[in-house]
Amino acid sequence: SAVISQKPSRDICQRGTSLTIQCQVDSQVTMMFWYRQQPGQSLTLIATANQGSEATYESGFVIDKFPISRPNLTFSTLTVSNMSPEDSSIYLCSSANTEAFFGQGTRLTVV
Amino acid sequence: AQRVTQPEKLLSVFKGAPVELKCNYSYSGSPELFWYVQYSRQRLQLLLRHISRESIKGFTADLNKGETSFHLKKPFAQEEDSAMYYCALLTGGGNKLTFGTGTQLKVEL
Repeated sequence: SAVISQKPSRDICQRGTSLTIQCQVDSQVTMMFWYRQQPGQSLTLIATANQGSEATYESGFVIDKFPISRPNLTFSTLTVSNMSPEDSSIYLCSSANTEAFFGQGTRLTVV
Repeated sequence: AQRVTQPEKLLSVFKGAPVELKCNYSYSGSPELFWYVQYSRQRLQLLLRHISRESIKGFTADLNKGETSFHLKKPFAQEEDSAMYYCALLTGGGNKLTFGTGTQLKVEL
């Protein structure tokens, strides 16, 4: 199994600012993903974080808004840029080799 | 496009009663399905996957390709089963998961 540490666990941010969320896995993993869970809704995949290359974004998500880094096989960051209240959500990091594991999530509130 | 449907947002049962959490999927390929659970104040974790055909914490789920369903069942609900349950479909290669909207299970005494 993999243990994922995600931080911050929560934050309250002013609109127009940016927040970077960090995700650390305790072992090397092939795949890392970022999900968003808006209030009352399901988890939606934002992007696949690719080690050594640009992330692969899902429909409706763009790099300018959600830049992602993955410098190695155990670490990734997601930045939520130029935030608005609509970005208030829980953001989840996930890693997968043969099974998907999740971080505890970052609860973001934009005011 | 792939889709996972969980029709019930909330399911309330009494302790000892049978539980069935419904999940239907839509996918043109060969489906690989999972149930994830999130207990209060804990992270999302895998409960079971259809290819394992195992029983975890008394829960089972059978893939029915004819009905495109993967319902989660338990014969006798326990209080500690109260949690949020998500059905998920593996798609697109690379372990990408498509999640249903989740069902909150509440087991009452």
